[in-house]
Amino acid sequence: GNSVTQMEGPVTLSEEAFLTINCTYTATGYPSLFWYVQYPGEGLQLLLKATKADDKGSNKGFEATYRKETTSFHLEKGSVQVSDSAVYFCALSKTGGGADGLTFGKGTHLIIQP
Amino acid sequence: GAGVSQSPSNKVTEKGKDVELRCDPISGHTALYWYRQSLGQGLEFLIYFQGNSAPDKSGLPSDRFSAERTGGSVSTLTIQRTQQEDSAVYLCASSLPEGNTIYFGEGSWLTVV
Repeated sequence: GNSVTQMEGPVTLSEEAFLTINCTYTATGYPSLFWYVQYPGEGLQLLLKATKADDKGSNKGFEATYRKETTSFHLEKGSVQVSDSAVYFCALSKTGGGADGLTFGKGTHLIIQP
Repeated sequence: GAGVSQSPSNKVTEKGKDVELRCDPISGHTALYWYRQSLGQGLEFLIYFQGNSAPDKSGLPSDRFSAERTGGSVSTLTIQRTQQEDSAVYLCASSLPEGNTIYFGEGSWLTVV
């Protein structure tokens, strides 16, 4: 079945450091890939997405590229801020359209220190 | 409404009691999902509705869990005879039928004591 594996946290970085959160997936067909973010005390928010191979999703300075050859969708940001502290979830759609739900990774807790 | 609304936001219940969790999706979203978020377990898919029907109930963890949706809008997740392992945040989400972006509510935090 479909599955998502992301790096364990917590990940602790200093402000302005470079961020990478690894995500790899196992899926049949051609899933869409997503990163969701959960800030403290809030619900999940879509951060970015990519719907086909080699697509790059980007938002708020974060980027992730859909790599079919390595089945990966790593999240990167060039210079993190304290306000980026949150839990980040990588996810894929069960079908290409995602209309019947998502499979999530376990989440990576990111802590940015000033 | 503007976003997915869930109630209650927090619920403490005694073991063995039944609980009902409510979700009001974004207006016009015919697809509705329930997930469970447990500490250290990530997000677990429970059930998906398209309109009022649930084509995929495979994620419900036991027969104590049930969900319904009426009028293609509000959904209720019911947990009967709650157990301590049911303690978690229950997240509801909705989307357009053809869309691949799912929007989440803030969750209902359930504690079974």
